[in-house]
Amino acid sequence: AQSVTQLGSHVSVSEGALVLLRCNYSSSVPPYLFWYVQYPNQGLQLLLKYTSAATLVKGINGFEAEFKKSETSFHLTKPSAHMSDAAEYFCAVSENTGFQKLVFGTGTRLLVSP
Amino acid sequence: ETGVTQTPRHLVMGMTNKKSLKCEQHLGHNAMYWYKQSAKKPLELMFVYSLEERVENNSVPSRFSPECPNSSHLFLHLHTLQPEDSALYLCASSQDFQDTEAFFGQGTRLTVV
Repeated sequence: AQSVTQLGSHVSVSEGALVLLRCNYSSSVPPYLFWYVQYPNQGLQLLLKYTSAATLVKGINGFEAEFKKSETSFHLTKPSAHMSDAAEYFCAVSENTGFQKLVFGTGTRLLVSP
Repeated sequence: ETGVTQTPRHLVMGMTNKKSLKCEQHLGHNAMYWYKQSAKKPLELMFVYSLEERVENNSVPSRFSPECPNSSHLFLHLHTLQPEDSALYLCASSQDFQDTEAFFGQGTRLTVV
């Protein structure tokens, strides 16, 4: 069965600094991988997804993630943090198509200070 | 505006009450989902509906009862809940249940007292 681990329940950065949110997955077959963002008092919104095409995936709001099979990782990055990036970020993995098959991580809260 | 609307946004209920959560999507999607989001735990899939038929029920206690009268509306009927059921309940929809992307509502924050 697939699983996903997000290292660090909280990550703090200064505005303008690099954002790096870590995600490692476990899957017995080539996975589909996703990052979702949840702003305060909102539902989840898809940031980006990897579905076996290019290993470097670009998403909305300047975020990108790189699929590294050898490291079983799918870390999320953004070169320069904005205050508006403060939110909770969820990594998810699926071994099949079908949204109901997604397994979510426990989330990482990104804090951005001025 | 995400196209998925949940009401109410906040709900406080006693353990003997009966209440319902409502979800409405305006995206023309055929699949709808209920999720439970508790602090420090991964999202838990509760129910999946495709074309108004329940296709998945992840061992959810019977005190939670879903209803999908049409492809645009999804309800979660609640009765005799426990304090540990307090959580954020999220509704989502996707084009169909084989799709890999879903759109979420803002959630209902439920507190059971």
